[in-house]
Order: sequence, then C-alpha cells, then structure tokens
Amino acid sequence: KNEVEQSPQNLTAQEGEFITINCSYSVGISALHWLQQHPGGGIVSLFMLSSGKKKHGRLIATINIQEKHSSLHITASHPRDSAVYICAVRATGNQFYFGTGTSLTVIP
Amino acid sequence: DAEITQSPRHKITETGRQVTLACHQTWNHNNMFWYRQDLGHGLRLIHYSYGVHDTNKGEVSDGYSVSRSNTEDLPLTLESAASSQTSVYFCASSTSGTDTQYFGPGTRLTVL
Repeated sequence: KNEVEQSPQNLTAQEGEFITINCSYSVGISALHWLQQHPGGGIVSLFMLSSGKKKHGRLIATINIQEKHSSLHITASHPRDSAVYICAVRATGNQFYFGTGTSLTVIP
Repeated sequence: DAEITQSPRHKITETGRQVTLACHQTWNHNNMFWYRQDLGHGLRLIHYSYGVHDTNKGEVSDGYSVSRSNTEDLPLTLESAASSQTSVYFCASSTSGTDTQYFGPGTRLTVL
C-alpha cells in the first residue's frame, strides 16, 4: 500500500499552460512537502505546508487537511519547469512517506 | 556557502563487499536522513538521525547501518552489499523544528 499517491504519473503540456499535480495521502500528517527533481537528479524542496496555501513565483501549493489532499499548480508553464515533482508527508509518528512522483514535460 | 555533499557520486562494487557512502553538511543541521530511490518506489527512508549519537531505523533499514559521531557527517554503511541494494542514494538534512530538507546530489550505487 502507498501512503502517498500522486496523479498523474506523467504529464505533457504546451508552454504557457496551467498545470495541476495532485497528491492524496492516507496517514495523519504534521507537514506536507513538494519537491522538484531535475533531469540531472538533484532534488530541491519547493514548499512545506501544514495548512492553507503558499505561493512562490509561478508555483502555488494548496492543502486540504480534512480531505487529505494537496495540489501543486504551475501557472504559465515553461520548458524549464520540466522535472519530476514529488509529494512527501511527515506523518504524525515522524515517519516520512514519498509519492512516486509526477514526470512533467513542457513543450515549447 | 553552506552545502550538503555526498561521495562518491558513482560506485560499482561486488556482492558481499562492505561499502560506505559519505554525507557531509556544513549547515550545522541537527537532522540528517538517508534515502534510496528506485523506479516505481519513489524515495524511501533508510535511516535518520536527530543529533550526535542518535540514529533511528527507517522504512527500509535492513542491510544498512549509520553512525553519527559529529553534527556534519552521517555515513551510510552496507555491511555486505547485495544486488537488491543497487539504487540511487540521497542524503538530506534539516534544522530542528523545521521540516524543510536539503538534499545532496545523490550517489549511484551498482552492486554486481
């Protein structure tokens, strides 16, 4: 069983499109993270959320604790946004669980 | 600038050999983590430490060990490498009281 499920697994978009990646989880959490893994393998933390919404540039992350769901939105997508986006949660028992990632390709 | 480094970046070894992967951070973070990443599984936690001399098992700790003798380093040891341990290994660190983790560049380990 996967404690964290992401959808879609793969996503191809045209430059400029609005993109949504979804994350659902089945455990109680103290925080949820969105990570970006570049084609070269490096991993960068984008957001940490425990409630509400956060915005950084063209990226927006939201979380609904009651529904155990989070979304990552990218506005005005660009080819440099092409990467794997990973949802991770810190469970209330201090364990970390990771989704398998959403592979995003933005075509010029 | 503060950073987190891993070495080696690539390693090929044979089954049964002992292998140690190094992780070094200069942020003075208390928390350090080791993950493996495999296709179809995403990142999985191997071991983690919340401070010097503290170590804890993660989801997939069998066959791995860590020790934390100082704040900066958390080496990961495979006592007797197995082909199932072929993977990409990521180290990460974070400060106490915040969960934002900073990841190292990863080590690709191949066990033949």
